[in-house]
Amino acid sequence: DIQMTQSPSSLSASVGDRVTITCRASQYISSYLNWYQEKPGKAPKLLIYAASSLQSGVPSRFSGSGSGTDFTLTISSLQPEDFATYYCQQIYSTPLTFGGGTKVEIK
Amino acid sequence: QVQLQQSGPGLVKPSQTLSLTCAISGDSVSSNSGAWNWIRQSPSRGLEWLGRTYYRSKWYNDYAVSVKSRITINPDTSKNQFSLQLNSVTPEDTAVYYCSRSTANNFDYWGQGTLVTVSS
Repeated sequence: DIQMTQSPSSLSASVGDRVTITCRASQYISSYLNWYQEKPGKAPKLLIYAASSLQSGVPSRFSGSGSGTDFTLTISSLQPEDFATYYCQQIYSTPLTFGGGTKVEIK
Repeated sequence: QVQLQQSGPGLVKPSQTLSLTCAISGDSVSSNSGAWNWIRQSPSRGLEWLGRTYYRSKWYNDYAVSVKSRITINPDTSKNQFSLQLNSVTPEDTAVYYCSRSTANNFDYWGQGTLVTVSS
């Protein structure tokens, strides 16, 4: 199985901050990487697919980059509704594994 | 707009079978471009993809190795839904279970989630 490692596991930030979350795959996955946002009591929401493509309806302050084994999710200016947990997922091969999550909290 | 509506019991006894159903509206379980997945989430295991069913001229299934001996995911074309059966459950199987549609492996629509507790 491909292991996905996210860092940090949690962070505190203020509204307006630029936030960066990293995800590393245990082996090469090209650009087969998705990012999801999860809020308490809700299902995960697809933000970014194919490492850098913005899902329809997702604000442009969210962006993704990377390929191979190292990936980044960036929120350019954190908004109150962005406080949530973020997960990466590799879709290169089954089983389709997720990272452990990064919880973004209010400073 | 695709909607997925989950149903099934929230409490299952150890050694019994966990059964959940996901009813689809706005798409077809027989779609040639979609796949129909089950994922679960627990504090100990995080988000865990369990498996999927999909139709590409015939039906296919993929399962996670961790549950492969215990899991069955079946489509029901007459009701446009798909189901999860997980046999011989233990307390380790306690989790929130989600169904989800994927297209090109992008999980774009999710069910509302069902907390399943395994306890006597």
